[in-house]
Amino acid sequence: DSGVTQTPKHLITATGQRVTLRCSPRSGDLSVYWYQQSLDQGLQFLIQYYNGEERAKGNILERFSAQQFPDLHSELNLSSLELGDSALYFCASSVGATSGNTIYFGEGSWLTVV
Amino acid sequence: AQSVTQLDSHVSVSEGTPVLLRCNYSSSYSPSLFWYVQHPNKGLQLLLKYTSAATLVKGINGFEAEFKKSETSFHLTKPSAHMSDAAEYFCVVSRAGDMRFGAGTRLTVKP
Repeated sequence: DSGVTQTPKHLITATGQRVTLRCSPRSGDLSVYWYQQSLDQGLQFLIQYYNGEERAKGNILERFSAQQFPDLHSELNLSSLELGDSALYFCASSVGATSGNTIYFGEGSWLTVV
Repeated sequence: AQSVTQLDSHVSVSEGTPVLLRCNYSSSYSPSLFWYVQHPNKGLQLLLKYTSAATLVKGINGFEAEFKKSETSFHLTKPSAHMSDAAEYFCVVSRAGDMRFGAGTRLTVKP
């Protein structure tokens, strides 16, 4: 158990809909990261927050947004969902924001868009 | 820009034989390098990391990796494979918060 908690574990929704994925980082971790893992694109970095502020941005679509709240939990919002958004979405956390920090992953949220 | 290439998409070994998973990286600066393992339907677990200290890094479960700057490689090895090592392995390069994952290597361990 990494200490990173993600909900829901599984989610099935229709195209065009909007979903919110939630993440609680490990106790004491200030950085939260979101990743998307799909069969065709592999594991892709979406976005990082550090202590409530956006720190780094990866391949995140404009239809997707995220935020980190004062209690450090984070949410990833996915809107106007398409079939291709079906993937495993990981949240991860680390103490700091620099490249040497160990990142701990949650078990992921499976999103299926039908 | 930085990137990482895992040279084998699939490696198959027999139980008790050595494991070698190959990773080459590209980075303009001195990067941090990681190996993560993902078991089926599970999150990624850190095996080991290199952050410019000793070039030979020992990780969990008997795995180790050697950072070779001249070859821009960070190969993962284990002297003797165990059935429980069967999983997907990811090599990761990180610099200034930008983490790039390799495509992964699926390790199969035969009895």
